[in-house]
Amino acid sequence: GQNIDQPTEMTATEGAIVQINCTYQTSGFNGLFWYQQHAGEAPTFLSYNVLDGLEEKGRFSSFLSRSKGYSYLLLKELQMKDSASYLCAVRDSNYQLIWGAGTKLIIKP
Amino acid sequence: GAVVSQHPSRVICKSGTSVKIECRSLDFQATTMFWYRQFPKQSLMLMATSNEGSKATYEQGVEKDKFLINHASLTLSTLTVTSAHPEDSSFYICSARTSTSGGYYEQYFGPGTRLTVT
Repeated sequence: GQNIDQPTEMTATEGAIVQINCTYQTSGFNGLFWYQQHAGEAPTFLSYNVLDGLEEKGRFSSFLSRSKGYSYLLLKELQMKDSASYLCAVRDSNYQLIWGAGTKLIIKP
Repeated sequence: GAVVSQHPSRVICKSGTSVKIECRSLDFQATTMFWYRQFPKQSLMLMATSNEGSKATYEQGVEKDKFLINHASLTLSTLTVTSAHPEDSSFYICSARTSTSGGYYEQYFGPGTRLTVT
């Protein structure tokens, strides 16, 4: 079956760095996405990786290793507004998005 | 980026009534649209996939007679929750997919509709 694993919850301090991991097992691979979702809102796109390596976009970076079925989202200089759920999703061979359960990130002052 | 809108953003209805949710791609043509529902503190659950002009494909466990999906044009899909019950209360999110010039697919999400059935 298809499976995406990410931690349920993480806590970090304002100004610090946090890494949210995601491992996946899917039928085919056509890219991995990270989304941010604030409570009561729809997910918003953060990053897309299809090749191995690190993609940097401001305070957020995303890494992919296809051979290991592994990705992480790195958030730097954490701000209180970064408190949200972070969803990892993989696009399979049918171009369907397979979603992880999300990681709730709590930022403390 | 591309914009997907949903209407209404919030709706409260009485048990037994039907509710229609619209999903529109505002500046692109969506060959495929997806409907998701999300319960509190849970991830997105795909309900159905619809291609313009054809019947929707429902995921296992989703009642097609209860959740009616119509994708009549390349910019509009509707989800109708028929005979709604309190357990249908959820956050419904649509997503529209289009292909890019490079032959890849891009998927854009609507803002979601919060349905509360009393």
